[in-house]
Amino acid sequence: QQQVKQSPQSLIVQKGGISIINCAYENTAFDYFPWYQQFPGKGPALLIAIRPDVSEKKEGRFTISFNKSAKQFSLHIMDSQPGDSATYFCAASLSYGGSQGNLIFGKGTKLSVKP
Amino acid sequence: EAQVTQNPRYLITVTGKKLTVTCSQNMNHEYMSWYRQDPGLGLRQIYYSMNVEVTDKGDVPEGYKVSRKEKRNFPLILESPSPNQTSLYFCASTAHTNEKLFFGSGTQLSVL
Repeated sequence: QQQVKQSPQSLIVQKGGISIINCAYENTAFDYFPWYQQFPGKGPALLIAIRPDVSEKKEGRFTISFNKSAKQFSLHIMDSQPGDSATYFCAASLSYGGSQGNLIFGKGTKLSVKP
Repeated sequence: EAQVTQNPRYLITVTGKKLTVTCSQNMNHEYMSWYRQDPGLGLRQIYYSMNVEVTDKGDVPEGYKVSRKEKRNFPLILESPSPNQTSLYFCASTAHTNEKLFFGSGTQLSVL
């Protein structure tokens, strides 16, 4: 119930295209869903996050879509650029209980944007 | 500059030789955590700490120890490293749970 399943494992997109990464969760108590971006040799960094009271959040070219009934959320990268090439992790956590705030990460998606 | 500092960046050691990976944050964060990153397995939590003197196990705590004697420091201790602990390790901190987690630059550990 604590798992977050992420797909695809890897993704190749042409410059200017749309990159879509999907995540699914089981625990309906999760109430915080961030996406982290990791470049080679660096630690992950928060990209964008959403809470379940909204169905979509947009920041620049990055959008999170959230479907509470399906227990799924996804990251869309519009007009993908070679500089977006990185590994992306979805995550989930809950605000109460013994493990409050502990992020459960997906296994990651390696995105390559071809020029 | 707000940051999480890990040392060393790279470490090669042999089986059974005790080692410590240090982690320090300068943001007065209460919450700190250790993760290991392995290909195909993503980020898995080892231990976390909600505050000074409060630590708890994550998903993969076997073979690791931690301590939180001061708010800024959260060292990871491997008493008797084994080859299956070869991994990329990250320390992270945040002011409040469910807010931005700040990660260090990582420590690449190889146990021969």
